[in-house]
Amino acid sequence: SYELTQPPSVSVSPGQTATITCSGDKLGDKYVCWYQQRPGHSPVLVIYQDNKRPSGIPERFSGSNSGNTATLIISGTQAMDEADYYCQTWDSNTVVFGGGTKLTVL
Amino acid sequence: EVRLLESGGGLVQPGGSLRVSCEASGFTFRNFVMTWVRQVPGKGLEWISGISGSGETTYYADSVKGRFTFSRDNSKNILFLQMNSLRVEDTAIYYCAKDSDPYGLSWGQGIMVTVSS
Repeated sequence: SYELTQPPSVSVSPGQTATITCSGDKLGDKYVCWYQQRPGHSPVLVIYQDNKRPSGIPERFSGSNSGNTATLIISGTQAMDEADYYCQTWDSNTVVFGGGTKLTVL
Repeated sequence: EVRLLESGGGLVQPGGSLRVSCEASGFTFRNFVMTWVRQVPGKGLEWISGISGSGETTYYADSVKGRFTFSRDNSKNILFLQMNSLRVEDTAIYYCAKDSDPYGLSWGQGIMVTVSS
């Protein structure tokens, strides 16, 4: 089965750029989505089709996907961005999630 | 606006059964693949099942195959997840989600299922 790998944790200072990676075999050939999940809440889509933002998602969220790695970039990170982030793709009629990355803003 | 509302969760003993439901609104229900995703509190997201728009085709993760059955009633815009032979490790928050490949998933608020004696 297809697997996506994320770092368990990333730390960033307020106002700096946070980078969260997601790796998988030939991931660049697939579309990747990213979800933000705050404690006690459902996941929220922040990036779809590798690099597109849903309405209402701040411009500081961006994404890329090439080769074996997709990347979520949060520019000018704010305290409110502290959350768990999950990458997701589709493979053989299944939905595949990465293990999640806890973003700490300190 | 997409709205998904799960119901039917609760406490069940190991080996028991439970059916959770998900009422959908705000979109043309029959046109979309729907999924169930679960999350053990404090852990990651796990896809467990998907169903085609017509309901004719279903897909399951190995962890639930043969024990869970996913169905839908397109006349009432509702999903059902029948869970049999439940195990302690099935304890999780269960989310239904609208799958808009490649535009991402839209999520319900989730419902807790606890398997414990």
